[in-house]
Amino acid sequence: GENVEQHPSTLSVQEGDSAVIKCTYSDSASNYFPWYKQELGKRPQLIIDIRSNVGEKKDQRIAVTLNKTAKHFSLHITETQPEDSAVYFCAASTPRLGGTASKLTFGTGTRLQVTL
Amino acid sequence: KAGVTQTPRYLIKTRGQQVTLSCSPISGHRSVSWYQQTPGQGLQFLFEYFSETQRNKGNFPGRFSGRQFSNSRSEMNVSTLELGDSALYLCASSKDSSRLSYEQYFGPGTRLTVT
Repeated sequence: GENVEQHPSTLSVQEGDSAVIKCTYSDSASNYFPWYKQELGKRPQLIIDIRSNVGEKKDQRIAVTLNKTAKHFSLHITETQPEDSAVYFCAASTPRLGGTASKLTFGTGTRLQVTL
Repeated sequence: KAGVTQTPRYLIKTRGQQVTLSCSPISGHRSVSWYQQTPGQGLQFLFEYFSETQRNKGNFPGRFSGRQFSNSRSEMNVSTLELGDSALYLCASSKDSSRLSYEQYFGPGTRLTVT
């Protein structure tokens, strides 16, 4: 089955700096890659996603890049703010027969701390 | 539009008991997936239901089961509880339209503690 590795496990940056979190996946058939942000005691929140037919997607201060050949994707947060502090999870979805896919395989999470 | 809701939010059970958790998806969403979140294992997929049928299943023992009702609400059941079942159980709903919408939105979770 699919395996997703995520690095680093913890990341500390100063406010205003950029943060990059990287994930690799094993199944070349995976075609959907969401990123979730989970604040302490709260539910995971979908913050951005990318499909396999796109190389990059941006939404304000966050962007995701996908390299299908290398089977890795990354989350980039620019101009970090204290409210960006949370655990970030990457995930990959592999389609089943028939084309629909609902199973997400998650990375182990990155705890991002933005310091003043 | 109301988000995904889960009840109860907290549960304390003893070993050997069984438990039922409930999830109400976002209105119009027909797919419901369940995940177990623990500090050691992270987020792990349990199963997914669509139109009252289990479409996908993770690598959990048969003590973990689920079902979905005609209104898309879903329940999961864990029988013969073990200490290791203590976790946050999250459900996520997806529209799952013919355009293959994969976005999943999570509920707040049910925190299960087994003593």
